[in-house]
Amino acid sequence: EVQLVETGGGLVQPGKSLKLTCATSGFTFSNAWMDWVRQSPEKQLEWVAQIKDKSNNYATYYAESVKGRFTISRDDSKSSVYLQMNSLKEEDTAIYYCTWEAGDYWGQGVMVTVSS
Amino acid sequence: DIVMTQGVLPNPVPSGESASITCRSSKSLVYKDGKTYLNWFLQRPGQSPQLLTYWMSTRASGVSDRFSGSGSGTYFTLKISRVRAEDAGVYYCQQVREYPLTFGSGTKLEIK
Repeated sequence: EVQLVETGGGLVQPGKSLKLTCATSGFTFSNAWMDWVRQSPEKQLEWVAQIKDKSNNYATYYAESVKGRFTISRDDSKSSVYLQMNSLKEEDTAIYYCTWEAGDYWGQGVMVTVSS
Repeated sequence: DIVMTQGVLPNPVPSGESASITCRSSKSLVYKDGKTYLNWFLQRPGQSPQLLTYWMSTRASGVSDRFSGSGSGTYFTLKISRVRAEDAGVYYCQQVREYPLTFGSGTKLEIK
């Protein structure tokens, strides 16, 4: 059974950092392209970042709204993908989902609240 | 960026009737391989989104054949036949033709 479990969310002040982890199981992670997608309190879905597999040189892509502040990475030995979020803004407040297989599988999501 | 614009449904839809949800893209989603890179998702209340169709019209594994996707390069429709209470929620289209990947704003379906 495919499982994606996000952790690391919470309440953080503007300008601070947070790192999300998505631990996976049930599929060959090393071959997977992984994405982070977030959903604002207004329910708008926004794709955040993607990381490809080793055969694609671990290429990464970002939404303009997070480029230069967020970094997606992976550890194939741990079947995990990460989202390092720096210089957080109030507009980054959202539920963050980890997804695999072009959205065919989603985690349960983790809440990130950026507020002073 | 490719902008995705979704239509509004005249809610609620009577159970057993059909519903069609529309989505328009600001640029063609047809890639050089001939495929149209458009996904449809359903998010039920309190749940993560669920993939319904990809490549515009291919149903994801386990998805009912009551869901059918169609369209051209820039105009798309998700038809739901014989709607049931379990179909209620918010439907999102997403283009995966180019980066950044973008979603529509969602279309709410209520069942009567």
